[in-house]
Amino acid sequence: DTAVSQTPKYLVTQMGNDKSIKCEQNLGHDTMYWYKQDSKKFLKIMFSYNNKELIINETVPNRFSPKSPDKAHLNLHINSLELGDSAVYFCASSQDYGRVGGYTFGSGTRLTVV
Amino acid sequence: AQKVTQAQTEISVVEKEDVTLDCVYETRDTTYYLFWYKQPPSGELVFLIRRNSFDEQNEISGRYSWNFQKSTSSFNFTITASQVVDSAVYFCALSAPESAGNMLTFGGGTRLMVKP
Repeated sequence: DTAVSQTPKYLVTQMGNDKSIKCEQNLGHDTMYWYKQDSKKFLKIMFSYNNKELIINETVPNRFSPKSPDKAHLNLHINSLELGDSAVYFCASSQDYGRVGGYTFGSGTRLTVV
Repeated sequence: AQKVTQAQTEISVVEKEDVTLDCVYETRDTTYYLFWYKQPPSGELVFLIRRNSFDEQNEISGRYSWNFQKSTSSFNFTITASQVVDSAVYFCALSAPESAGNMLTFGGGTRLMVKP
C-alpha cells in the first residue's frame, strides 16, 4: 500500500495549458503539503493544508491553486503553464509537525513544459 | 526565520571510505525537529532519521550514524564503509513549529558519489 501517492508521475505539456496533479495519503495524517524541487535540486514549500484548511501559502504565483476536498487529498492545479514551471513537484503529509512518523513524501511528479 | 545550510554540494569517495555530510541549522525555537532524507537517482525522497531538539544522543543505524550538537547547531551524518548504493543526494531539514508552523525547511542537499 502506497502511503502517499501522486499522479501522474510524468507530465509533459505545452506552454499555456492547464494541468492538475493529484495526491492522496492513506496514513491518516492531518496535514498535507506541496513542495517544488527545481533543476538544482532545491526543495521549497509551496502550500500546506491542515484538515482541509490552507495554512501556508508561500510566494507562489496565483496560477497555482491547491484544492483539498478532504484531509486525505490535496490536488494542485496549474493554469497557463510557463516554461519556468518545469520542476519536480512532491506531495507530502505529516502528523503533529512530523513529531509522529516524520514527513512522508510521494514519489514526485516531473512536470516538463515545452 | 529558519535556515538549513549544507555547505558541501558534492562529495566523491571511493567505496569503503567513511564520509561525513555536514548540516548546520538556524532557528530561534526551543523545540524543533531535524531530519535527514535520501534522494536516490530514482527520485523519491526517503526518510532516514528524525531527531528532536531535546534529544542530543547520537544515533547509529547500521552503517549510518548521526551527530547532533546543539552548541554548534549541527546535525551531521556519517556513512561508514560507503557503498555504491549510497550514491544519492542527501537533504538535511528542519521543522520549527513555534515560528514556522508545520513546514519543513530543507538544506540545499549534498550529492554523494561513491565510486567502485
